[in-house]
Amino acid sequence: GAVVSQHPSWVICKSGTSVKIECRSLDFQATTMFWYRQFPKQSLMLMATSNEGSKATYEQGVEKDKFLINHASLTLSTLTVTSAHPEDSSFYICSARLAGGEKQFFGPGTRLTVL
Amino acid sequence: AQTVTQSQPEMSVQEAETVTLSCTYDTSESDYYLFWYKQPPSRQMILVIRQEAYKQQNATENRFSVNFQKAAKSFSLKISDSQLGDAAMYFCAYRSAGGTGNQFYFGTGTSLTVIP
Repeated sequence: GAVVSQHPSWVICKSGTSVKIECRSLDFQATTMFWYRQFPKQSLMLMATSNEGSKATYEQGVEKDKFLINHASLTLSTLTVTSAHPEDSSFYICSARLAGGEKQFFGPGTRLTVL
Repeated sequence: AQTVTQSQPEMSVQEAETVTLSCTYDTSESDYYLFWYKQPPSRQMILVIRQEAYKQQNATENRFSVNFQKAAKSFSLKISDSQLGDAAMYFCAYRSAGGTGNQFYFGTGTSLTVIP
């Protein structure tokens, strides 16, 4: 159990377009989901914390108008990269926290390439 | 804020031998969790081992064990009988216990090479 999926796993887009990435908890409810970004050969850096039914909390330096997060249900959080630029090219990973518990589980990640 | 430091960017080990990856952290909290995650080329984060700070006993998972020194804020990972499949990037991570947030704080990673 405790599976988290991300869709798409890989996306290539043109500069200026928007891209939506989904994070789903498949067999459990997640009141909190976290979005991380990982540049090549670097560590995971938290971008934002997403709570179901409320606004996301963004880390310092992360533009909330550029990285739109919606956590509309207990099993789905979406990250939309608006007006993507080549510098947004990265690996985006979500993790989902089990509702009522403390365990978290990572999704497989989404590789975004902006041309 | 919590910080996690991995001072070994790269490590190598001979197959079947033992290797230890180092990790130190800084926190003012008394209750927290520590983790080692493995990230193979697929980039999927795989939980290797987890330690609750309140437990004095070091966690073990088959060939993987930790040396948790709470006072020294040290959390090293020992891999015994290394296998080719152990080659990956290893991240040490910290997470607070309790509360409603609890994001992970990751170290910079150690790239482990296993030599046949």
